[in-house]
Amino acid sequence: DIQMTQSPSSLSASVGDRVTITCRASQDIGYHLAWFQQKPGKAPKSLIYAASSLQSGVPSKFSGSGSGTDFTLTISSLQPEDFATYYCQHYNTYPLTFGGGTKVDIK
Amino acid sequence: EVQLLESGGGLVQPGGSLRLSCVASGFTFSDHYMDWVRQAPGKGLEWVARVRNKARSFTTEYAASVKGRFTISRDDSKNSLYLQMNTLKTEDTAVYYCARGGSDSSHYHYVAYWGQGTLVTVSS
Repeated sequence: DIQMTQSPSSLSASVGDRVTITCRASQDIGYHLAWFQQKPGKAPKSLIYAASSLQSGVPSKFSGSGSGTDFTLTISSLQPEDFATYYCQHYNTYPLTFGGGTKVDIK
Repeated sequence: EVQLLESGGGLVQPGGSLRLSCVASGFTFSDHYMDWVRQAPGKGLEWVARVRNKARSFTTEYAASVKGRFTISRDDSKNSLYLQMNTLKTEDTAVYYCARGGSDSSHYHYVAYWGQGTLVTVSS
């Protein structure tokens, strides 16, 4: 199985900060990588697929990059509604696997 | 608007069975792959199972942790997805999410939309 490793596992940031989260795959997954946002007590929400394509309705402050084994999710200017846990997931082969999550909270 | 509404969760004893359902609306259900994803209390996300569409013969994939115990199925005439869960274990306790797939430019299928989830508790 492909292991997905996210870093950091948590971070504290201020409103207006630029935030970058990293996701590393244990083997080459091409660009078959998605990112999700989850707020406490809520269902996850899809943000990005194919490493860098925005899901419909997702604001452009979210961006993704990378291919192969190394990927990043960037939030250009953190807003109060962006404090949440973010997960990456590969969909290159079965089983699909998620990273452990990155919790973004208020500094 | 894509909507996915799960039902069927509840309390069940270890070794018991439960059937989850998900009713979809707002899109052409029959076109899409569908998934179940779960989240144990306080833990991360775990993909459980996928069923492909009719064009791919409704074939299925499972996580190793549930293979042989869980069965994913769909009824396109009812816009519905199911998860039959047998021989349940305490470690199956989780919120179970129904999810709709999307297809990228290379026809690989990712998770695009999520339902609100239904809680399954396995306990004596």
